[in-house]
Order: sequence, then C-alpha cells, then structure tokens
Amino acid sequence: EAQVTQNPRYLITVTGKKLTVTCSQNMNHEYMSWYRQDPGLGLRQIYYSMNVEVTDKGDVPEGYKVSRKEKRNFPLILESPSPNQTSLYFCASSFLWGTGENQPQHFGDGTRLSIL
Amino acid sequence: GQNIDQPTEMTATEGAIVQINCTYQTSGFNGLFWYQQHAGEAPTFLSYNVLDGLEEKGRFSSFLSRSKGYSYLLLKELQMKDSASYLCAVYPSNAGNNRKLIWGLGTSLAVNP
Repeated sequence: EAQVTQNPRYLITVTGKKLTVTCSQNMNHEYMSWYRQDPGLGLRQIYYSMNVEVTDKGDVPEGYKVSRKEKRNFPLILESPSPNQTSLYFCASSFLWGTGENQPQHFGDGTRLSIL
Repeated sequence: GQNIDQPTEMTATEGAIVQINCTYQTSGFNGLFWYQQHAGEAPTFLSYNVLDGLEEKGRFSSFLSRSKGYSYLLLKELQMKDSASYLCAVYPSNAGNNRKLIWGLGTSLAVNP
C-alpha cells in the first residue's frame, strides 16, 4: 500500500529533550516536506527536500533540523524543544516532475507533539 | 503578498448540495488543489484544477476561473461523513522546485441530519 508513515503518532515530552520524528514513504517520491498545523494558522511549511542530500527551509524553520540521507526517509529533529513547538506535525511527499495532477502531496497520519 | 480566502465555517443538511468557495491572490498560477481533512487526521487529496472549467469526480466537483482567481468545491448528496475541513491550496508560478503550496485556512463543514 502506497503510504507515508510517521512515528510517533503522539509524544509528550519536556523542554530541552532532543527528539526525532521519523517519516518514511514507499512511493519513490523525490519531494518531501514537513508542516506544522496550528489552530487559526493553517498548514505552515517547516522544511522541504527535493531529493537525497537536498534540503531547504520553508516558512517556519527555526528550532528544527532535517536530513535526507535516503530517498524514502525525511526525519524531523527538534534539538532543544520548547513549548511553542507544541503542534500537530505532518510529513508529505510527492513526485517532483510531471504535471500537477500527478503531483498531489500525500500526507502521513500526523504526529501530535506536546512540549511541557 | 500571497493569500487564499475561504469561509471559516459552513453547515448543510444530509442529502443536500453545498458549494465551498475559494479566492486566491498569488504570484502567478500553476494549479489549484482541494483537500479534505477530518479532525485530527491527515489531509487527503480530492481534486486538481489547472484549466478553467469544471472537473467532476463522483459526488465532488471542482470549478476554476483563473481570470477571477476563484474556485469552488461542490459536494452533492451530502453524507454525515462529509463533515470535515476542506482546504484550498494553490501552486504559484514562483514555487519553483519547492512544491510549495499556498494553503487556505480551510472551511469547516458540518453536515446535520
């Protein structure tokens, strides 16, 4: 089954304790992206990657890191989490080339992070 | 700046038809997506428009007018399971290789029996 898999689905942790949210896709997509979704603010892009070893900042990258060592995986790293990073996080992937109708972004099920 | 406007909330009755509007102001246009998102779940792709006109997919249809910067999602024969948030998203022409969509805040649709 074609899917984007995120782990964990839920996490409650404390300020300053490093954490990693994993994301893996099995559709051979070049493009991967991380979003956070907050009430009243919608989906905001954190980081994106166009292919292996190619990553760049989105709109709200502060406090986050990513890596893309393999095509299928795109982990999101919070080196020193703070309460303002409490949010619902989504990983998404899509093909990079071709027409738009072939390139909808496929989303993981989300990770709800609470930073105390 | 780039902006997408959608109504915040709508209500409708089971079995009825509802139209959810989306207007956009972006630096160019390379396509428009509609996504459905149930509370606490992932957005799922519904439809894509890049040319003017109506695209029909079963109970759901999406319309685009590029000259007016306007789209709508039409949901027919509403079912209770259609209660969700509907997100409009646009690829501006300056998105480049970052498949960076400009997202609306979503329209929360409540379907009542």
